[in-house]
Amino acid sequence: NAGVTQTPKFRILKIGQSMTLQCAQDMNHNYMYWYRQDPGMGLKLIYYSVGAGITDKGEVPNGYNVSRSTTEDFPLRLELAAPSQTSVYFCASSPASGTDTQYFGPGTRLTVL
Amino acid sequence: GQNIDQPTEMTATEGAIVQINCTYQTSGFNGLFWYQQHAGEAPTFLSYNVLDGLEEKGRFSSFLSRSKGYSYLLLKELQMKDSASYLCAVRDQLGDYKLSFGAGTTVTVRA
Repeated sequence: NAGVTQTPKFRILKIGQSMTLQCAQDMNHNYMYWYRQDPGMGLKLIYYSVGAGITDKGEVPNGYNVSRSTTEDFPLRLELAAPSQTSVYFCASSPASGTDTQYFGPGTRLTVL
Repeated sequence: GQNIDQPTEMTATEGAIVQINCTYQTSGFNGLFWYQQHAGEAPTFLSYNVLDGLEEKGRFSSFLSRSKGYSYLLLKELQMKDSASYLCAVRDQLGDYKLSFGAGTTVTVRA
């Protein structure tokens, strides 16, 4: 199993550009999450999904959008990129079980110039 | 909301023991996780506590006191590969699997 995969690994955007960060998992997990991690900071939840067709905002959703059309995929869309969105983005998934951990993808390092 | 505090940095010698503390203030509590994150990599799961007491997993142990809003991660027989950031994360609601993370503790193991 590949687990959680993310593409691209690195990306440089200009201010005002848009892009989609891809995330896929092959573990049939219901729950999926998007986090951002800034230097010296913990992970901040951007959006999450409890199943296909259901998404909800996390702690820092402004400037981002998500969709969940299938169990496997959970893309994150950045519209009108800003320097404040320079960060490392992690996607994670977990089964619908209280004791189970979240499994993280390798991350996407995004720079907005 | 959640407030999760842990020290920023710790340094220890190879073979020694290090204890990383985590205190939390939450509106509810449904479990505490510890993750390890090497530089440039994704977090990986280390331990989970939901009841008071000590959970031991090889060289790593984690302790929880719900009444004190306190947990620690104990790393024994430190190895150079244990140099990493250690993240404390709290889940605050039953049936809600969102986690709130502390800023992480960077542990440096020296020879």
